[in-house]
Order: sequence, then C-alpha cells, then structure tokens
Amino acid sequence: SQQGEEDPQALSIQEGENATMNCSYKTSINNLQWYRQNSGRGLVHLILIRSNEREKHSGRLRVTLDTSKKSSSLLITASRAADTASYFCATGRSGGYQKVTFGTGTKLQVIP
Amino acid sequence: EPEVTQTPSHQVTQMGQEVILRCVPISNHLYFYWYRQILGQKVEFLVSFYNNEISEKSEIFDDQFSVERPDGSNFTLKIRSTKLEDSAMYFCASLPQGETDTQYFGPGTRLTVL
Repeated sequence: SQQGEEDPQALSIQEGENATMNCSYKTSINNLQWYRQNSGRGLVHLILIRSNEREKHSGRLRVTLDTSKKSSSLLITASRAADTASYFCATGRSGGYQKVTFGTGTKLQVIP
Repeated sequence: EPEVTQTPSHQVTQMGQEVILRCVPISNHLYFYWYRQILGQKVEFLVSFYNNEISEKSEIFDDQFSVERPDGSNFTLKIRSTKLEDSAMYFCASLPQGETDTQYFGPGTRLTVL
C-alpha cells in the first residue's frame, strides 16, 4: 500500500449520523494531518496530531493516531450536508519543514 | 487571517506553451512548496524551496519545471513546454519559521493544457 491510504474510498451517510474515515501509512512520521477538499476547490486544513499524541478533538472532529499500527481515524460527529467533501490524510516526516505526503482520500457524501 | 493566494485561478494553454503560476505566500513564511493534483487523484508533492534554493524535489519535477522567488512576496512555478498530462490543479503552500508542521495551502490554480 502507499503512504497514506484512506478507507473507505467513498462513504455516504444521512445527515446527523457520524462519519468515520481511516488512514494507514507505511513509514515513521512526525505528524499526521487531515484536510478537506470540496469538489474542485482548495485544501482546508482540519486538524494535526503529532506522533506522541493519541487523540485530538476539534469541534465535531475527533482524530486518533495509533503509531504501532501506523493508522489514524477521523470521526465527524453529527454530520451536516455541508460536510460533503473529500477528506485526505497527510503525513509529515521527522525533521520538519519537509513535504507532506497525501493519501488517496475518502469521498464523503452527507445526504440531507 | 493571512492567507496564501494564487493567480490565476484557472489557466488554459496550448500544448508546448510556457506557463507561470503565481503564488503569494503568507508574509512571514520562509518555506514554500508546490503540489499538484491531477483530476480525481491524490495531491502530489512537486518541490520545496527555502533560502532561495530548492530543498527537495520529486521525480515529477523534471527539467521542464522551475521555481523562483523573484521578489520578497511572490513564489512562481514555471512549466517551460506544457504537455497534456500537466493538466492539474496546482497548489502552493508555505510554512513559517519556527513551525515544522502545518503547511498553509493556497486555493490552487487549475491548469488546462489543450
């Protein structure tokens, strides 16, 4: 698998439900970030979790990181139609200042 | 809140033509990046730039590509002779000194090569 593979590739839920997206990666990381992209638009940074953290919250977002399994999950609670977008995880290597490596993305559709 | 800006938002060009994509990073940022995203695919790293030189580049960033910081505010990506497969969304990103993590992305330039 590639560095940063999201699963599922596509997810369709009803408004109000929770959405969970998973990301797996291969190499050691300094941090893992989640981005949102509305169709054909720019990347919006959602949340960053460092390699020494296990869980982080931001509003309706909850991110977990399991470095032993090289995986992360993004949970969006009480989803809204406006959450419809593609979600990407991106990993940053140790040493900082370096590129981030994006995953393949999960396309989330929230049905009103 | 300061933002990374990119111009133009959409560029259409003929194959073989040169294009310059422009970015204005956030003013106190010192590290600059270009990424691209071919339609329907993931975002790929092209190049990073610090202290007026390239610090890292990917296999994609061949001799057809170049970057420049011509003045204190702009950061440009030039494609010398565009190919059809260069059609993509190009994102600029920047990072301030003292931070090692969160890159700030611009809204992107959609390049269409005909």
